[in-house]
Amino acid sequence: QVQLQESGPGLVKPSETLSLTCTVSGYSISSDYYWGWIRQPPGKRLEWIGSFYHSGSPYYNPSLKSRVTISVDTSKNQFSLKLSSVTAADTAVYYCASVTGWNFHHWGQGTLVTVS
Amino acid sequence: DIQMTQSPSSLSASVGDRLTITCRASQSIRSYLNWYQQKPGKAPNLLIHDASRLQSGVPSRFSGSGSGTDFTLTISSLQPEDFATYYCQQSYSSPATFGQGTKLEIK
Repeated sequence: QVQLQESGPGLVKPSETLSLTCTVSGYSISSDYYWGWIRQPPGKRLEWIGSFYHSGSPYYNPSLKSRVTISVDTSKNQFSLKLSSVTAADTAVYYCASVTGWNFHHWGQGTLVTVS
Repeated sequence: DIQMTQSPSSLSASVGDRLTITCRASQSIRSYLNWYQQKPGKAPNLLIHDASRLQSGVPSRFSGSGSGTDFTLTISSLQPEDFATYYCQQSYSSPATFGQGTKLEIK
C-alpha cells in the first residue's frame, strides 16, 4: 500500500525558502506513478504546485514556476519541494501525492507551513 | 487556466437525503473531471475520476455524471460519514485546477 509522509519546518520567515520532503513507503518512486505537491491555504481551495516522473523533468504551475523547485532522491524514495521568497500568502497545508494522469490518488497527511 | 466553480458552496442535509452538487468548468474539459471528499484535518480522498468512474472502495451511493462543462456529484442516501467538504478538479489540462469546495453539514 502506497503511503506518503511530508516533513519539514512548520514555520518559515518571510523572504526565506520553504523546504519540505515527502517520504514514500510501500512503492518505489521509480515505478509507474507520477508524484506531486499540492497546497491548501486556510479556508481556500486546493492548488497544484508541481509534479514529476522519476525519469523526466518536473513541471510546475505557471503561477509558482519562478519560485518552485522539485527534486527527487530515488535512493531514499523521497522527493522534495523548495519554494523561495515566501510571503504570508504561502501559508498553507502542503500535501504530497501520487499522480496518474492528473488524478491525485494517494495523499500524505499534509503539513501546515506558516510564514511569519 | 481552467476555472472550476461549484454550487452550492455549502449545504445542510439530513441522513438519508439524496443530494446533488454541481461543478462547472470555464471551458470544455470533456469527461476529465474528478471528485474528492475531504474531512476536517485530513487529506482529500479521490472518489470519482473521469466524471463517472467510481474509485475502488468507494460506496455505490456516490455517483458522478456530466461532460463538457457541467458535472454533478450525487449521493443517493446520505450517511453520517458523508458529511465533509467535496471538491471537483479538472484533469484535462495543465495546470490542474480545483473548485472552491462544497461543505456538506448535518441539518
